[in-house]
Amino acid sequence: EVQMLESGGDLVQPGGSLRLSCAAAGFTLRTYSLNWVRQAPGKGLEWVSGISASGGSKYYAESVKGRFTVSRDNSQNTLALQMNSLRAEDTAIYYCAKGSTVTTTGGYFDLWGRGTLVTVSS
Amino acid sequence: DIQMTQSPSSLSASVGDGVTVTCRASQTISSSLNWYQQKPGRAPKLLIYAASTLQSGVPSRFSGSGSGTDFTLTISSLQPEDFATYYCQQSYSSPQTFGQGTKVEIK
Repeated sequence: EVQMLESGGDLVQPGGSLRLSCAAAGFTLRTYSLNWVRQAPGKGLEWVSGISASGGSKYYAESVKGRFTVSRDNSQNTLALQMNSLRAEDTAIYYCAKGSTVTTTGGYFDLWGRGTLVTVSS
Repeated sequence: DIQMTQSPSSLSASVGDGVTVTCRASQTISSSLNWYQQKPGRAPKLLIYAASTLQSGVPSRFSGSGSGTDFTLTISSLQPEDFATYYCQQSYSSPQTFGQGTKVEIK
């Protein structure tokens, strides 16, 4: 079965750091762009970051730029999101989503993980 | 950034009703418009991509149309499993913004 599985969500204090991971099973990620999308409690979907198939192009939402870093390891079939200087407003379920193209735009998100919960609170 | 505005924010309908959700982009996005369905506690699921192409396995009662700035998602005959929140998303440029969502509830 093809699937993506996130891990790493936790309760963290404001100003703290957290690293999320996403592992793919049943297929290889190397020919697809990948994305992180989050959903705050009771709110809508917010695209957070995207990375091209090669890893050479990375994009971020303004709300996380300079604090979050996306990376991928195609040899390990994984995606990561390093989150620093966390704020209360970063509290959300974080989903990894597979893109349909090698580039980060022009396609769609056709496979999503179940999500991992990040809570930023003192 | 391209802003995506959905309407209505919520609607109530009965099983068997036809339903239309609209999505407007703040600038032209050609046909780079996708629709997702999300049920409570679940990850979003792709329904339609490139404005009008049905994702494999999605029932034919779902359809999409539009190009440029104005798009619609239509459910021809609501089924009990269709009660959910629907999001549009533009993939024309980064950031790939989502609409605020339309919650379809049972009347």
